[in-house]
Amino acid sequence: DSGVTQTPKHLITATGQRVTLRCSPRSGDLSVYWYQQSLDQGLQFLIQYYNGEERAKGNILERFSAQQFPDLHSELNLSSLELGDSALYFCASSPSYRPGNTEAFFGQGTRLTVV
Amino acid sequence: DAKTTQPNSMESNEEEPVHLPCNHSTISGTDYIHWYRQLPSQGPEYVIHGLTSNVNNRMASLAIAEDRKSSTLILHRATLRDAAVYYCIPADSGNTGKLIFGQGTTLQVKP
Repeated sequence: DSGVTQTPKHLITATGQRVTLRCSPRSGDLSVYWYQQSLDQGLQFLIQYYNGEERAKGNILERFSAQQFPDLHSELNLSSLELGDSALYFCASSPSYRPGNTEAFFGQGTRLTVV
Repeated sequence: DAKTTQPNSMESNEEEPVHLPCNHSTISGTDYIHWYRQLPSQGPEYVIHGLTSNVNNRMASLAIAEDRKSSTLILHRATLRDAAVYYCIPADSGNTGKLIFGQGTTLQVKP
């Protein structure tokens, strides 16, 4: 158990809909990362928040947004969903915003299926 | 972002040592070298990291070349549970907080 909790574990929704994925980081971790893993793209970095502020951005679509709340949990919002958004979405947390000398802990992921 | 090159796949026999190589010739002087692994149907899991000198922990050892352009993850006695995709990641120790995963090496462990 990494200590990172993601909900829900599975989500099935229709094209055009909007969903929210939730992540609770490990106790004390201030940094949260979001990743997308699809079969043909591997693990893609989406976005990082540190103590409520956006810290780094990757290949995140404009239809996607994220935020980190004062209690440090984070939400990833996916809107106008397309079939190609079907993927595993992982959240990770770490104590620092600099991943260099610290390890990141990953949740078990949310499997999103868009039909 | 530093680029990495890893073999697509490797095989090992159970209880034998495994050496997983990674080339990261464009690594910057302040990037740590991280290794993560992903078991089937699970999230990535931290294995080990280092900067310049070799590192050991309960899971593995990390051997870093003197010029830092390559590193090798060493599993001393592979078990069936070690079958996973192993990722080598130069981790930015600067202001950008990204961990960028490449394609990794799929390790098969045969009984």
